[in-house]
Amino acid sequence: QKEVEQNSGPLSVPEGAIASLNCTYSDRGSQSFFWYRQYSGKSPELIMFIYSNGDKEDGRFTAQLNKASQYVSLLIRDSQPSDSATYLCAVRSSASKIIFGSGTRLSIRP
Amino acid sequence: SAVISQKPSRDICQRGTSLTIQCQVDSQVTMMFWYRQQPGQSLTLIATANQGSEATYESGFVIDKFPISRPNLTFSTLTVSNMSPEDSSIYLCSAGPPAEQFFGPGTRLTVL
Repeated sequence: QKEVEQNSGPLSVPEGAIASLNCTYSDRGSQSFFWYRQYSGKSPELIMFIYSNGDKEDGRFTAQLNKASQYVSLLIRDSQPSDSATYLCAVRSSASKIIFGSGTRLSIRP
Repeated sequence: SAVISQKPSRDICQRGTSLTIQCQVDSQVTMMFWYRQQPGQSLTLIATANQGSEATYESGFVIDKFPISRPNLTFSTLTVSNMSPEDSSIYLCSAGPPAEQFFGPGTRLTVL
């Protein structure tokens, strides 16, 4: 079992709709959880982090964490073409290292 | 947030040579991380660098191939030794306060 799992996509969402990205992790002792956005040829950009169960909102982005189910998600409201990118889920494990999922490619179609 | 710079931004190297990549953070951080990202792939953690102690390497990565230095709380280097074409990749440095983790712009390495 991979430590951090994501659906590779591509996920295609119409402009203005909600994009939902999902991630599961295996280490129950994981401490914090991150979502990064990566455009082609660029380094990952941190867009959200969360460490408590529940929802965390920042503008059009909402991160959701369910530690009992070992599940993290990212919702993007009012999707824009500029949101088209690869979204990487990352988890800080109980050993304090940050492990990445394989990433989900998101495409926002006009 | 933390601002991270890396040098060089890219390099083309010959097989059998070594390249040292530098990473500078604009604030003091406890842990720095080195990742590799091969084309079309996600990030793979190479090692964790703590100031004042040996780096901790992940499975599949060894100190002889990827020696790391961490002389102070704002700086680290990663050396890719005895390079082969399979080492062609983007190498990324990461650091930040405990709740956040930021990335440098990366070093694009091509080995001929």
